Amino acid sequence: AQTVTQSQPEMSVQEAETVTLSCTYDTSENNYYLFWYKQPPSRQMILVIRQEAYKQQNATENRFSVNFQKAAKSFSLKISDSQLGDTAMYFCAFMKRFQGGSEKLVFGKGTKLTVNP
Amino acid sequence: EADIYQTPRYLVIGTGKKITLECSQTMGHDKMYWYQQDPGMELHLIHYSYGVNSTEKGDLSSESTVSRIRTEHFPLTLESARPSHTSQYLCASRTSGISLYEQYFGPGTRLTVT
Repeated sequence: AQTVTQSQPEMSVQEAETVTLSCTYDTSENNYYLFWYKQPPSRQMILVIRQEAYKQQNATENRFSVNFQKAAKSFSLKISDSQLGDTAMYFCAFMKRFQGGSEKLVFGKGTKLTVNP
Repeated sequence: EADIYQTPRYLVIGTGKKITLECSQTMGHDKMYWYQQDPGMELHLIHYSYGVNSTEKGDLSSESTVSRIRTEHFPLTLESARPSHTSQYLCASRTSGISLYEQYFGPGTRLTVT
């Protein structure tokens, strides 16, 4: 079974500081995909960053980067130069494709991040 | 933001009523999904569709039903609403093409059954 664990229900950070959100997952597969989604208060869920398991290089999108440790099954999100607009729920998600084209996206329980002025 | 829409955004309804939550996307995506998000914010897949006339149940058992008659439209129906159905419902879609499997989410429908 695939599970995704986010061990930090809530975190806070000062504006302009750096924060790291943790995520671990459990799978016996070798080829899969990992995502971080952001859900601001009362707004749509949007993709922050993605990582393909076969790529060793950590993904980066502007102020957002990941630390992907495949052997440890760890996929943490680092937010640099935090901004007030980064305040949101952050969900780590794991996706695996099956033969025949079906797929499954499993979410962690989320980390509520608050950026303080 | 993605071109995926949900109506209504908020709905308060009495027990026993039939309701339909609408979801539409204009991106031509063939894959669509319904998630239920509980008060603790955890998301659970309740239905998905890989194309017209294709629907499957997700991981979380749900008394709701879905249909997919048109590519762009994936409504969810509750025949008889109950207080246990109170939740936020999120619709999502993605293409089967080379898109790195990103799902695009709608704004959600917050349902309260009294």
